[in-house]
Amino acid sequence: AQSVTQLDSQVPVFEEAPVELRCNYSSSVSVYLFWYVQYPNQGLQLLLKYLSGSTLVKGINGFEAEFNKSQTSFHLRKPSVHISDTAEYFCAVSGQGAQKLVFGQGTRLTINP
Amino acid sequence: EAGVTQSPTHLIKTRGQQATLRCSPISGHTSVYWYQQALGLGLQFLLWYDEGEERNRGNFPPRFSGRQFPNYSSELNVNALELEDSALYLCASSLVRHWAGGPPYEQYFGPGTRLTVT
Repeated sequence: AQSVTQLDSQVPVFEEAPVELRCNYSSSVSVYLFWYVQYPNQGLQLLLKYLSGSTLVKGINGFEAEFNKSQTSFHLRKPSVHISDTAEYFCAVSGQGAQKLVFGQGTRLTINP
Repeated sequence: EAGVTQSPTHLIKTRGQQATLRCSPISGHTSVYWYQQALGLGLQFLLWYDEGEERNRGNFPPRFSGRQFPNYSSELNVNALELEDSALYLCASSLVRHWAGGPPYEQYFGPGTRLTVT
């Protein structure tokens, strides 16, 4: 069975500061990893995904994540955040052949001016 | 290209009633997924439909059911509503690989239906 742990439920940062949102996964088979963002009163939007290949994945809106198999982590980073990045961020995992996503509990990112 | 659409946006029901939620996938997508986002419980997988068949089901009671129509749109039905069914129900659609191996296609999410049970 697969599971995802997002280590921080809330992360407050100042505008233009860097941010890292942490995600650890558990799986006995090959995994595919995703980060989604949910703005208030909206659905989910894919930020980036790791399927194979380079462990550093770049996504939309200046976000990137690094897949670390030995640490079973897939942390999301942005070097300089903006007020518009205020949202909830979800890490998710899917297995080979599996079509469902297993989500973490989410991290609420709050940007202070 | 139109995205995934869901209706209604909001739905208010009383305990014991039935709720029907609807989802239209992106054109060309044959798979539809339903997720429940309840306060304090996070996002949980409910159901996956592809080509009109239920392919996978999450850990939910049988009163959560659904179907997929020939045009690939889908309905989620929740019978005998309970207070804890209050949640945002998200629908997603994707292409699908008709073989077991390989990575999944991206799931595109709709805006959700907020169900309130009183």
